[in-house]
Amino acid sequence: AQTIHQWPVAEIKAVGSPLSLGCTIKGKSSPNLYWYWQATGGTLQQLFYSITVGQVESVVQLNLSASRPKDDQFILSTEKLLLSHSGFYLCAWSLRGSSYEQYFGPGTRLTVL
Amino acid sequence: GQQVQQSPTSLVLQEGENAELQCNFSTSLNSMQWFYQRPGGSLISVFYNPSGTKQSGRLTSTTVIKERRSSLHISSSQITDSGTYLCAMELSGSFNKLTFGAGTRLAVCP
Repeated sequence: AQTIHQWPVAEIKAVGSPLSLGCTIKGKSSPNLYWYWQATGGTLQQLFYSITVGQVESVVQLNLSASRPKDDQFILSTEKLLLSHSGFYLCAWSLRGSSYEQYFGPGTRLTVL
Repeated sequence: GQQVQQSPTSLVLQEGENAELQCNFSTSLNSMQWFYQRPGGSLISVFYNPSGTKQSGRLTSTTVIKERRSSLHISSSQITDSGTYLCAMELSGSFNKLTFGAGTRLAVCP
């Protein structure tokens, strides 16, 4: 069975500090991977997707970047956090290709002060 | 304008009543999913239903491509059905990009 793990579970950071959020998929080779963000009370927005190692496509510009260093790992990061980065970050996977069902991880709650 | 619109924004039911949640989209689509969002924020997939009708227990999803709408029907609602329901779709021409609706907040009262 496939499992998706996100870390950390929650993070409190200062404005201007760096950030790194991680996502790991186990039990599925060569998945598509996705990052989503939801501001408190807001609508979920897709940030990035990746169909293969080393390749990441940006969907929404939020002064964040993403990388896929391994087949089963997806990293979201920034060198300088903004207050507007606060919210809930979700990682998801689907079968390789397009238009497949997506499965979501438990999420990371980020508070920027 | 918004490509995905959910209605109603919120809904209050008495336990045992039925609920009909709607999702309308402005362009054709490749895929459609319904999710339940837990109070903590995590998502549970309820249906993957790009077209036609699917049923699971008390839940039924119907997607009609020609009419650009998808619905989630909850029969005999229970208190544990309370929460936020989201529809999400991959719009035609936007491969690997899911667009979410703003959600319907459902409260089921005893």
